[in-house]
Amino acid sequence: DGGITQSPKYLFRKEGQNVTLSCEQNLNHDAMYWYRQDPGQGLRLIYYSQIVNDFQKGDIAEGYSVSREKKESFPLTVTSAQKNPTAFYLCASSPTSNQPQHFGDGTRLSIL
Amino acid sequence: RKEVEQDPGPFNVPEGATVAFNCTYSNSASQSFFWYRQDCRKEPKLLMSVYSSGNEDGRFTAQLNRASQYISLLIRDSKLSDSATYLCVGIDYKLSFGAGTTVTVRA
Repeated sequence: DGGITQSPKYLFRKEGQNVTLSCEQNLNHDAMYWYRQDPGQGLRLIYYSQIVNDFQKGDIAEGYSVSREKKESFPLTVTSAQKNPTAFYLCASSPTSNQPQHFGDGTRLSIL
Repeated sequence: RKEVEQDPGPFNVPEGATVAFNCTYSNSASQSFFWYRQDCRKEPKLLMSVYSSGNEDGRFTAQLNRASQYISLLIRDSKLSDSATYLCVGIDYKLSFGAGTTVTVRA
């Protein structure tokens, strides 16, 4: 089945540690996105990529980094500079940037 | 000002009722609009696209009013399974999500 796979489902980060969230899609979509959602809040865009080897900062990029070396993959690293990383992280993809997005089922990140 | 704003609700309605809510957008350049549904602790799922002429999908009707810069979603004959948060989305060069409207349908 085509879709978006995020892993792990749950992740715990120690103080000062970088962690990487995986996002893989087999939909042949050009555009991929990372969002953060805090309890009771809407989605906030962290980074997005419209094509391989290119990505742009979203509204809350500080403390995060991404790469887009392959079309299928868009990993997100939460660095130690992100002081409040506890949230629900959602990856999405779309055929192009002006079409509706399909979401993975998310990763919940917590601080130990 | 946020690009997309929604009434957070909650809208608490009995089964079988009709519920409607709006979403306003500030960027007149927004080209396309969508409604997503998000269940508690789950990912958003596309519910329907919103066309200028309005569109209907079963019990759901979406409308776009460009003059007043809002889109609406109407749910007829509400079911318990319609309980969710409904996210409004506008696209210019990227998607802008509203914070969502929570609907609770009670038996």
